[in-house]
Amino acid sequence: NAGVTQTPKFQVLKTGQSMTLQCAQDMNHNSMYWYRQDPGMGLRLIYYSASEGTTDKGEVPNGYNVSRLNKREFSLRLESAAPSQTSVYFCASRGGNLSNQPQHFGDGTRLSIL
Amino acid sequence: AQTVTQSQPEMSVQEAETVTLSCTYDTSESDYYLFWYKQPPSRQMILVIRQEAYKQQNATENRFSVNFQKAAKSFSLKISDSQLGDAAMYFCAYRSEPYSGGSNYKLTFGKGTLLTVNP
Repeated sequence: NAGVTQTPKFQVLKTGQSMTLQCAQDMNHNSMYWYRQDPGMGLRLIYYSASEGTTDKGEVPNGYNVSRLNKREFSLRLESAAPSQTSVYFCASRGGNLSNQPQHFGDGTRLSIL
Repeated sequence: AQTVTQSQPEMSVQEAETVTLSCTYDTSESDYYLFWYKQPPSRQMILVIRQEAYKQQNATENRFSVNFQKAAKSFSLKISDSQLGDAAMYFCAYRSEPYSGGSNYKLTFGKGTLLTVNP
């Protein structure tokens, strides 16, 4: 039971390079989320997808784009990476009809921009 | 917009003792959920406990319990009989309900409390 899988786990980029972070879930969840975590901060929402075919901005969307490829996959793209985007990125998903269902998180991607 | 405040950047506890982590939040909504997540050095985000705002009874999960004070907008986590494996960063998180005007179950996190367990 894989849950939420993120690839890659680590990546180093140079300023200006592009990169796509992949996320897939096997729980048949409708909603998926991308967060970033910086030292001394909690997780901040970048983008989310309430259902297949829809995406919406979160708290810190600038410099990112997302694609909800299908129900399973939700990718995050950095078109021109900047040092300020050095962070740990988490993907999460949520599903079910019950309101109390929590989000399930992947193991994170540590991204360094030089 | 909702905010979540964890006023203790770091806490420490002796093994087998009890520790309480604080969390306060600000909201104008009447219905919402609150969560505590644990993040060990492995970086995984692990759900510890959840509380529905409409429930007066405090949630309990084995050694973990909460003290939910809705009027005071306080949601503290108590860890009893602390174990070495409890050492981690703990995050408090708030989630709106869509019918309360919130959007799609987004989480708002506090900045975290780093818990050290001393043997």
